[in-house]
Amino acid sequence: AQTVTQSQPEMSVQEAETVTLSCTYDTSESDYYLFWYKQPPSRQMILVIRQEAYKQQNATENRFSVNFQKAAKSFSLKISDSQLGDAAMYFCAYRSSYDMRFGAGTRLTVKP
Amino acid sequence: GAVVSQHPSWVICKSGTSVKIECRSLDFQATTMFWYRQFPKQSLMLMATSNEGSKATYEQGVEKDKFLINHASLTLSTLTVTSAHPEDSSFYICSASRSGRENTEAFFGQGTRLTVV
Repeated sequence: AQTVTQSQPEMSVQEAETVTLSCTYDTSESDYYLFWYKQPPSRQMILVIRQEAYKQQNATENRFSVNFQKAAKSFSLKISDSQLGDAAMYFCAYRSSYDMRFGAGTRLTVKP
Repeated sequence: GAVVSQHPSWVICKSGTSVKIECRSLDFQATTMFWYRQFPKQSLMLMATSNEGSKATYEQGVEKDKFLINHASLTLSTLTVTSAHPEDSSFYICSASRSGRENTEAFFGQGTRLTVV
């Protein structure tokens, strides 16, 4: 089965600064999709950004962008101009044609 | 947007009883639904994947007879925890997605906190 690894259990960033969350994955498939989800204390999963593996261009959504390195199987999330509301658990996810798996998560703290 | 409603939000049941959790896609047809279990401060662990009209595919280590999953329609999947025990207490989350290569995003329910006493 595919595995998703987030090696940073906790990260901290100063408000207005930039932070990068790392994620690596292992797969033998060529067609797949990668996601970053945010889980606030309410525990509702919120999609942050999505990347199709067949696209070379890195996805961007406002202050959120990814660095997708397919050969290295790396998918990091960069949050620019961090805001207090960005504080949450962040999960990296891998979606194949038959399942969807998550990394262990990174707890992001934003300091005012 | 696509909305997934999970019910109930929380439930307390006695050991040995069964409890059913519903996951409904309110404004789209969900050909695939995923069921996850999340322990406190941990990740979402995939329990099973269900496709409408087919038997669910369970992850290794997940008891099929204990966690019954039914996906009888394109808008409803249910997870029934049978003969519940205190160790089954957890947060259960469902997600749903549409078919097609362009519809890879999974939309999540609010989750169900199950407490078995």
